[in-house]
Amino acid sequence: NAGVMQNPRHLVRRRGQEARLRCSPMKGHSHVYWYRQLPEEGLKFMVYLQKENIIDESGMPKERFSAEFPKEGPSILRIQQVVRGDSAAYFCASSPNWVTGPGDEQFFGPGTRLTVL
Amino acid sequence: TQLLEQSPQFLSIQEGENLTVYCNSSSVFSSLQWYRQEPGEGPVLLVTVVTGGEVKKLKRLTFQFGDARKDSSLHITAAQPGDTGLYLCAGVRIGTYKYIFGTGTRLKVLA
Repeated sequence: NAGVMQNPRHLVRRRGQEARLRCSPMKGHSHVYWYRQLPEEGLKFMVYLQKENIIDESGMPKERFSAEFPKEGPSILRIQQVVRGDSAAYFCASSPNWVTGPGDEQFFGPGTRLTVL
Repeated sequence: TQLLEQSPQFLSIQEGENLTVYCNSSSVFSSLQWYRQEPGEGPVLLVTVVTGGEVKKLKRLTFQFGDARKDSSLHITAAQPGDTGLYLCAGVRIGTYKYIFGTGTRLKVLA
């Protein structure tokens, strides 16, 4: 997972505040995926973005959650008015192309652990 | 509905034992990946398999893709404490462009 950067690594918010999670993909990667992981569980797909485009946001709650991947700068996952149930680890992954097979694999960042008090 | 089921969910074994983890689905995948995740870190890609019946080896780890590309297995020979972690399979269904992750197998190897 070398190269995919996420910050902050840990984020503590009180209920009702906003959380902003950042992801810088590997160099040369223009595809970004966000996943959520609850303790002792696997990864749940949230959203898939290309530069300036949301390709698939079917895994993201329709309210309070939004994501963007601007032409310049990192991808941002934004959670407004956080609630305790939003506490989880949020992982970003990047790939160079559409994921169809070898050479297009995703590489993961270290994650951001969000705790909502 | 969980599209990729992994078994077992939890496994605790002694150092030196062998083990197999299974990843099963009713869907056909164009490719399937295995990841290992350690506490506090992101998943790390171990292998990608794409051809039905394909077998890949990575030191003491052997990965197999089912003939019909619906299932996969990970076999570890002579497990070591360093193998401890969460093992995840992930697949890309034919005609789609996103990964579906399995439920995960949490392995603990005791010294």
